[in-house]
Amino acid sequence: GAGVSQSPRYKVAKRGQDVALRCDPISGHVSLFWYQQALGQGPEFLTYFQNEAQLDKSGLPSDRFFAERPEGSVSTLKIQRTQQEDSAVYLCASSRGLAGTRGYNEQFFGPGTRLTVL
Amino acid sequence: SQQGEEDPQALSIQEGENATMNCSYKTSINNLQWYRQNSGRGLVHLILIRSNEREKHSGRLRVTLDTSKKSSSLLITASRAADTASYFCVMNSGYSTLTFGKGTMLLVSP
Repeated sequence: GAGVSQSPRYKVAKRGQDVALRCDPISGHVSLFWYQQALGQGPEFLTYFQNEAQLDKSGLPSDRFFAERPEGSVSTLKIQRTQQEDSAVYLCASSRGLAGTRGYNEQFFGPGTRLTVL
Repeated sequence: SQQGEEDPQALSIQEGENATMNCSYKTSINNLQWYRQNSGRGLVHLILIRSNEREKHSGRLRVTLDTSKKSSSLLITASRAADTASYFCVMNSGYSTLTFGKGTMLLVSP
């Protein structure tokens, strides 16, 4: 079956531009996560959705970052007025179950979108 | 979720050798997971060990967990060039957004 897909795979933006990154999770997965990975670092949590509800956005670095998942499937991460420090790989992950449960919910990651802000 | 600290930061070995990576953490956990990231297959879940388990095997992978020392190790036996990747330990302490450390970068040379 299809895994998590993300588009575009690469994005170059001029400083100040707005960008939109798309994530298609595995069909039927309830939970969706966005992570930011800077060069040489591990992924860092940005935000979490349970179906269409954004339950945690504590990792979003500024109010320029906005994420949505209006129908509980596809999600979009939008970055307004991009800055050079936004350059990173943005990873999306989905899992079948709910975050916060004590059970095991493996997260399946997409290939990421590499954003370069000039 | 808390962040694990992987050690060493980088490891270089020859094909056929074993590779051992360690992870330390600070507070109690429900389970601990190891992930691998390489350019070919992206970020992939390898194995999960629960807090009441001490050792787990999956193919050439062996994971141990010592909750008294708050540490885990990942052993890859008979390494292959395709094992070249970054390896991350990730704890799940209930709320399951994952917190990654910087990882161990493993290089396996032919």
